[in-house]
Amino acid sequence: GAVVSQHPSWVICKSGTSVKIECRSLDFQATTMFWYRQFPKQSLMLMATSNEGSKATYEQGVEKDKFLINHASLTLSTLTVTSAHPEDSSFYICSAREGAGGRELFFGEGSRLTVL
Amino acid sequence: QKEVEQNSGPLSVPEGAIASLNCTYSDRVSQSFFWYRQYSGKSPELIMSIYSNGDKEDGRFTAQLNKASQYVSLLIRDSQPSDSATYLCAVNGQAGTALIFGKGTTLSVSS
Repeated sequence: GAVVSQHPSWVICKSGTSVKIECRSLDFQATTMFWYRQFPKQSLMLMATSNEGSKATYEQGVEKDKFLINHASLTLSTLTVTSAHPEDSSFYICSAREGAGGRELFFGEGSRLTVL
Repeated sequence: QKEVEQNSGPLSVPEGAIASLNCTYSDRVSQSFFWYRQYSGKSPELIMSIYSNGDKEDGRFTAQLNKASQYVSLLIRDSQPSDSATYLCAVNGQAGTALIFGKGTTLSVSS
């Protein structure tokens, strides 16, 4: 299947700082990428849909000014958690489909964020 | 609101047994159905996809779909301790949209 790479795998930061997470499709072009968040022992919750060359679409309850998404190219989407707080500590996972007609969603390795 | 329901478990089976995982979904127009396996601290890994009613087999895994009942299941034959993980059911409605995930069922296979 298609390969999605995410970086960093884990990050620890101080409260009030910003953290950027990168998501790359390595062997295919992804016009759309999806960002999920997973708290311990809970399922994946969709945060936003990232569209290449246009603004991201955020799910209800997700602050777009706090979670900045940039999809500047067909292989790269970034999520920036601005002014992070301890409650933002979570497992952030990006995903993408291979091609416009692809049905299967492939996930990056995930990024575990811990805000002190 | 579109929902995907799974029994959280844990489901415990002995090594070599068949593990049966179930999932129901609320959106009747859903078109694509997936099972992902997630080990603790890792991201989900796709193990099965199914798009039409009936059974689909891949090695030790069999996915079953019944759209009339809005029900999808996963059977794991000859369960191994390495199968111990959380299994996530995911459903997709319209093409190009994100997947909606269930909360997952934790499977424990004892040797």
